[in-house]
Amino acid sequence: AQSVTQLGSHVSVSEGALVLLRCNYSSSVPPYLFWYVQYPNQGLQLLLKYTSAATLVKGINDFEAEFKKSETSFHLTKPSAHMSDAAEYFCAVSEASWGGGSNYKLTFGKGTLLTVNP
Amino acid sequence: DSGVTQTPKHLITATGQRVTLRCSPRSGDLSVYWYQQSLDQGLQFLIQYYNGEERAKGNILERFSAQQFPDLHSELNLSSLELGDSALYFCASSARTSGGSDTQYFGPGTRLTVL
Repeated sequence: AQSVTQLGSHVSVSEGALVLLRCNYSSSVPPYLFWYVQYPNQGLQLLLKYTSAATLVKGINDFEAEFKKSETSFHLTKPSAHMSDAAEYFCAVSEASWGGGSNYKLTFGKGTLLTVNP
Repeated sequence: DSGVTQTPKHLITATGQRVTLRCSPRSGDLSVYWYQQSLDQGLQFLIQYYNGEERAKGNILERFSAQQFPDLHSELNLSSLELGDSALYFCASSARTSGGSDTQYFGPGTRLTVL
């Protein structure tokens, strides 16, 4: 079974500082990896996903993540934090829910709450 | 707006009761997933339907059941409710493509409180 570990349940940065949210995965097959963001009282919104096309994935709102197979990592970064980035971020790995199909269930990490200080 | 709708937004009920959560997927999406988000368990996959058929089960209790109707909307039924069932329940939908992984689009969730 696949699993995801997010290091740090809470990360605090200053506005304008680099954002780094860590995610490590465990998978016996090449994974599909996702980062979702959840704002208070809202659903999950996709930030970006890795599907083996390129190791550096660019997402919305200047977020990007780099897939490193040797480190089994998929860390999320943003060069300059904005107050509006304050939210909870979830890393997820997909796992085929039925043989050969392209529909997957997601296994999520515990989430990292990002706080941005003025 | 993801295009996935869920009703109701909030639900407050008592232990032992039964409730039904409804989800309408994005137009054209054939797959519907249900997830539970709680403070102690985090986000957990419950069940998936594809074009009316159950495709996968995760950590779904026997007191819970789901179905997907011909118009592709889905309902999650929770019965004999316990305090521990209080959580945020999300529905997600995805299209089916050949090869690769589909993005799952999440609804706003239904917050269930069991008193």
